[in-house]
Amino acid sequence: DAKTTQPTSMDCAEGRAANLPCNHSTISGNEYVYWYRQIHSQGPQYIIHGLKNNETNEMASLIITEDRKSSTLILPHATLRDTAVYYCIVRVNTGTASKLTFGTGTRLQVTL
Amino acid sequence: GAVVSQHPSWVICKSGTSVKIECRSLDFQATTMFWYRQFPKQSLMLMATSNEGSKATHEQGVEKDKFLINHASLTLSTLTVTSAHPEDSSFYICSARRSGGYGYTFGSGTRLTVV
Repeated sequence: DAKTTQPTSMDCAEGRAANLPCNHSTISGNEYVYWYRQIHSQGPQYIIHGLKNNETNEMASLIITEDRKSSTLILPHATLRDTAVYYCIVRVNTGTASKLTFGTGTRLQVTL
Repeated sequence: GAVVSQHPSWVICKSGTSVKIECRSLDFQATTMFWYRQFPKQSLMLMATSNEGSKATHEQGVEKDKFLINHASLTLSTLTVTSAHPEDSSFYICSARRSGGYGYTFGSGTRLTVV
């Protein structure tokens, strides 16, 4: 699986959009971009994933550049509850036996 | 849908004893489950892949005889930390992916403290 690079930490004011970047310059054509987050002392939570097109769900939006070498996770209106470590992972979407490998992630701190 | 339950949420045990952690997929069948370990302020490290009806696959550097994994049914995998020592104190997390589903679902984790 391709390696990802994320900033170590970011701050965001409550109510503002949080934009979390991820670099995956060595991504292959069949690898998806997944985002998870981990709130302190809990298991990771799935947020969103995509291959080429931008994606949006009730939690966030995922913007993938045309060359697929980087992506941005957008939390449109961050709240204090969004304070967590956010992990960007790229992997082949090949069924249930493929493992997820976590990097160091971005620690997002949402403040008043 | 796609709920993974992990039990216990925390456990304290004496050095030298064994501890069993359960991971259940509540509303789907999981032929494969994954076990992770996370030390304070570090990322998740994959320990092993649990396969229903067959031997688990441990990652390099993870002792298979110390971290025993049993995946006896399509909804239950267990991790047993044998002869636990203080350095095994950590946050253990399991996960599974629903066939045809999106993403992986994680359990809430088990905090193990060995004293």
